[in-house]
Amino acid sequence: EAGVTQSPTHLIKTRGQQATLRCSPISGHTSVYWYQQALGLGLQFLLWYDEGEERNRGNFPPRFSGRQFPNYSSELNVNALELEDSALYLCASSQQAGNIQYFGAGTRLSVL
Amino acid sequence: AQSVTQLDSHVSVSEGTPVLLRCNYSSSYSPSLFWYVQHPNKGLQLLLKYTSAATLVKGINGFEAEFKKSETSFHLTKPSAHMSDAAEYFCVVRVYNAGGTSYGKLTFGQGTILTVHP
Repeated sequence: EAGVTQSPTHLIKTRGQQATLRCSPISGHTSVYWYQQALGLGLQFLLWYDEGEERNRGNFPPRFSGRQFPNYSSELNVNALELEDSALYLCASSQQAGNIQYFGAGTRLSVL
Repeated sequence: AQSVTQLDSHVSVSEGTPVLLRCNYSSSYSPSLFWYVQHPNKGLQLLLKYTSAATLVKGINGFEAEFKKSETSFHLTKPSAHMSDAAEYFCVVRVYNAGGTSYGKLTFGQGTILTVHP
């Protein structure tokens, strides 16, 4: 069974551009979560989607947004990129809200 | 509010010796606790979980953790370290509200980097 898949693996952007990161959950999972792992800041919760709706978001500015599609895949959009947005972005999925979260390998975003 | 504190940022052991990675938690309600491992340039893999059943939890690759409510601890142990155990380990708590409903988010400790020497 395929795990959580994320694309692209690496993404290089310049300041002010927009980045789009994609995530496909494990088959049968309806909840998708996004986390940011930035150097020196640890792993921080970004967003939670369940059944197509945003259920919770972490302490991030509105230029971080996303959506969940009818097939439960998700994308994370980061607008007006700043240098400090450089990080590993991890996506996780779970069968239902509150169940164990399984993580993908991440997308490494570099903002130059 | 729920939080976790990993007491050591780095732990170094010799292959074949025991491993102890320490974690204290803070939770207003009965917590769900996890240990995840992250190998270099990889995602997070679940090692084990505690969800109010047995206090001694066995995980993959010979790891186990004991939930001690009186000490608010959830330390991770392994009897004998292997070179392949070298990685970063995260103690994690799942956040709930007063009604027991999950907020979805996981709160991560700062991580402990485990080095295993031959």
